[in-house]
Amino acid sequence: DAEITQSPRHKITETGRQVTLACHQTWNHNNMFWYRQDLGHGLRLIHYSYGVHDTNKGEVSDGYSVSRSNTEDLPLTLESAASSQTSVYFCASSAAGRVETQYFGPGTRLLVL
Amino acid sequence: GESVGLHLPTLSVQEGDNSIINCAYSNSASDYFIWYKQESGKGPQFIIDIRSNMDKRQGQRVTVLLNKTVKHLSLQIAATQPGDSAVYFCAETYAGNNRKLIWGLGTSLAVNP
Repeated sequence: DAEITQSPRHKITETGRQVTLACHQTWNHNNMFWYRQDLGHGLRLIHYSYGVHDTNKGEVSDGYSVSRSNTEDLPLTLESAASSQTSVYFCASSAAGRVETQYFGPGTRLLVL
Repeated sequence: GESVGLHLPTLSVQEGDNSIINCAYSNSASDYFIWYKQESGKGPQFIIDIRSNMDKRQGQRVTVLLNKTVKHLSLQIAATQPGDSAVYFCAETYAGNNRKLIWGLGTSLAVNP
């Protein structure tokens, strides 16, 4: 069965370290998204991609970067982790032209000390 | 600014009753509205969507109603079950923002046995 996975599921890191969160989907979806979820803020879009080599900034992209070298993967990198980036991160994917129907991964809980 | 809001942050219902979750939106250009369900510890899951040229759409035990005059969206769940306990998010999208989803803050639904 097709799926979308995230790793690691839990991560503790220190302020200033570079962290990369992995997202892998086997749906063969063109579209991939990274969100963070915090109490009181709902889901906020960090970065998104509508195809290989395409990346776009979302509403909270500062301090984060992504690259899309193939269809299956969209890793999210925190260049220099900050305590404000402690959050739950969700990756999602959707078929081309179907942004509204997104399939979400299980999430990565990140704690920055 | 753009926003998708909720009238009630929490809703408690008895098992077997019908549930109604409401959502207000502010962007008149939005032409697609979606409901997602997020169970504890999991990523959001697509439930149902509706286009702006429709007033009502039904799925299995769920109905979405759209009132464009007052910019209001609702999700009705028939015969609510314990498995319906979750946070429900409404989201909207329109062509002018590259089809990104604009998410509401969520409503927590608790089903009492």
